[in-house]
Amino acid sequence: DVQLLESGGGLVQPGGSLTLSCAASGFNFSSYAMSWVRQAPGKGLEWVSSISGSAIYTYYADSVKGRFTISRDNSKNTLSVQMNSLRGEDTAVYYCAKNPNRGVQLWSPFDYWGQGILVTVSS
Amino acid sequence: QSVLTQPPSVSGAPGQRVTISCTGSSSNIGAGYDVYWYQHLPGTAPKLLISRNSNRPSGVPDRFSGSKSGTSASLAITGLQAEDEAAYHCQSYDSILSAVVFGGGTKLTVL
Repeated sequence: DVQLLESGGGLVQPGGSLTLSCAASGFNFSSYAMSWVRQAPGKGLEWVSSISGSAIYTYYADSVKGRFTISRDNSKNTLSVQMNSLRGEDTAVYYCAKNPNRGVQLWSPFDYWGQGILVTVSS
Repeated sequence: QSVLTQPPSVSGAPGQRVTISCTGSSSNIGAGYDVYWYQHLPGTAPKLLISRNSNRPSGVPDRFSGSKSGTSASLAITGLQAEDEAAYHCQSYDSILSAVVFGGGTKLTVL
């Protein structure tokens, strides 16, 4: 079974940094693009970033471009996102999600999701 | 504000049929990009419910169906069950934003 387990969340001050990780299992990790999607309190889902299976191609939402960096370690089946210059509006539950293709196709679905990890940006 | 518009809430009695709309524009749903639907129970992982507008992944009951027309899409749930109480989200792609876009989510209450 596909399993995605996020870690690294918590409370961080505005302007601070945090790195989230996602441990993947149950599928050939390097063969699939992966993504981060978030949900702020009381709001809908928001796509954050995606990375190809090879890690060569990365894509970001305008709201996080220049502040967040997505990466993956295919030898450890791990997806990460480094979040810098955090703002209050980055407060959300962050989900790791699997894409059904090796390359990033932003018009494709997310076929498996993790349970999410809470990031709170507050002083 | 979400790019795709969904009603914040819908409700129905057990056994009834409900529909949830997802309205977009000419740069996303109207441009021909597929719509996906997710079911999300609090504290759990969202689940892909409908793929490519109307296709059910393996294991999804046929009580769930999706459709798309013009700049909108709809999710229909027939024979409502208490376990269907959840949030439902639609997703597509926007060619102007060059980004994945979601609706604001719809909370389904089974009365």
